[in-house]
Amino acid sequence: GAVVSQHPSWVICKSGTSVKIECRSLDFQATTMFWYRQFPKQSLMLMATSNEGSKATYEQGVEKDKFLINHASLTLSTLTVTSAHPEDSSFYICSATSGTADTQYFGPGTRLTVL
Amino acid sequence: QKEVEQDPGPLSVPEGAIVSLNCTYSNSAFQYFMWYRQYSRKGPELLMYTYSSGNKEDGRFTAQVDKSSKYISLFIRDSQPSDSATYLCAMSSGGGNKLTFGTGTQLKVEL
Repeated sequence: GAVVSQHPSWVICKSGTSVKIECRSLDFQATTMFWYRQFPKQSLMLMATSNEGSKATYEQGVEKDKFLINHASLTLSTLTVTSAHPEDSSFYICSATSGTADTQYFGPGTRLTVL
Repeated sequence: QKEVEQDPGPLSVPEGAIVSLNCTYSNSAFQYFMWYRQYSRKGPELLMYTYSSGNKEDGRFTAQVDKSSKYISLFIRDSQPSDSATYLCAMSSGGGNKLTFGTGTQLKVEL
């Protein structure tokens, strides 16, 4: 149980284009989903928290107009990197929780490379 | 000072050794403690989840929490090469609050 999937697992795009990453909870309803990015050999950096049906809460320093988050249902959240640049290249990971549980279940991650 | 401190390693041990991984923290509000294992280029996988102080055992893994010392540990018995990964501690104050992570300890178990 508690399986989270992400799609795509990797993506290469040209600078200036937008990329959408999907995060799905497969066997539970996720009231809250989190989006992280991770640079090589570094820990996870929380970007934003999203609750189903409401606007995402972004961490300080994260541009909400650049990283658009939509939590459309209890099983799906999307992260869209708009007008991507090479410095946006990173490993993006989502996680999900159910109710007030504090345990987060992570997806397998999406490796984004912007040329 | 970071809220959660974790030695980044790398830690190299022979197969079969007992591994001890540790984190210290400063926020006394933390009540929930987790250990995640992350293989290279993969998402973190939940290994252990503990509420408040005490021990929890699951197979070869034992998690310990000492809230009085603000210190948590993960022990791995009979370590295997497949245990080679980065181990992240994480904690929260509850109520669905966001997790605070350690930087991760890179572990290598050698044949």
